[in-house]
Amino acid sequence: DAKTTQPNSMESNEEEPVHLPCNHSTISGTDYIHWYRQLPSQGPEYVIHGLTSNVNNRMASLAIAEDRKSSTLILHRATLRDAAVYYCILIITGNMLTFGGGTRLMVKP
Amino acid sequence: KAGVTQTPRYLIKTRGQQVTLSCSPISGHRSVSWYQQTPGQGLQFLFEYFSETQRNKGNFPGRFSGRQFSNSRSEMNVSTLELGDSALYLCASSLGQGANGNTIYFGEGSWLTVV
Repeated sequence: DAKTTQPNSMESNEEEPVHLPCNHSTISGTDYIHWYRQLPSQGPEYVIHGLTSNVNNRMASLAIAEDRKSSTLILHRATLRDAAVYYCILIITGNMLTFGGGTRLMVKP
Repeated sequence: KAGVTQTPRYLIKTRGQQVTLSCSPISGHRSVSWYQQTPGQGLQFLFEYFSETQRNKGNFPGRFSGRQFSNSRSEMNVSTLELGDSALYLCASSLGQGANGNTIYFGEGSWLTVV
């Protein structure tokens, strides 16, 4: 199964951009890259997903490397409410998400 | 549009008892999956249902079971509860069969404590 590797934690200052990296060197051609985040005491929340091209939505941007072996979630201006665990996930089978450890993002005021 | 609704939100059970958790997916969504989250193991997939059929199952013992009704609502059951079953149980719903390209929406979860 294709797996993802993320740093355990990252720190950012409020109002600054944040780049959260994810490595997925064994990704297959049909695997979408999904990002979810989980705020304390809540269920995971969808952030963004993409296949090959970079994607933007109101929450974030997703930059996908040309060889698709890595991707970066970009939060353009971090706020205190963005402090959460961010998961990079490859959807392999149906709707089954395989979560790794994720990256705990801490935002300093 | 209402999100994924899980009931109950919090419950305490005794070892050996059984528990049933309920999930109402977003209207129109036909896929429902269940996850267990513990501090030690993180988020782990339990099972997925689509149109009342179990399509995928995670690596959990047979004490964990589920079902989906014709209105897409789902229940999961854990029998003979053990202390290690204490966890946050999350339900997620999605529109179609394959998540590639689909968005999966999670409920707020049911916090189960086994004493």
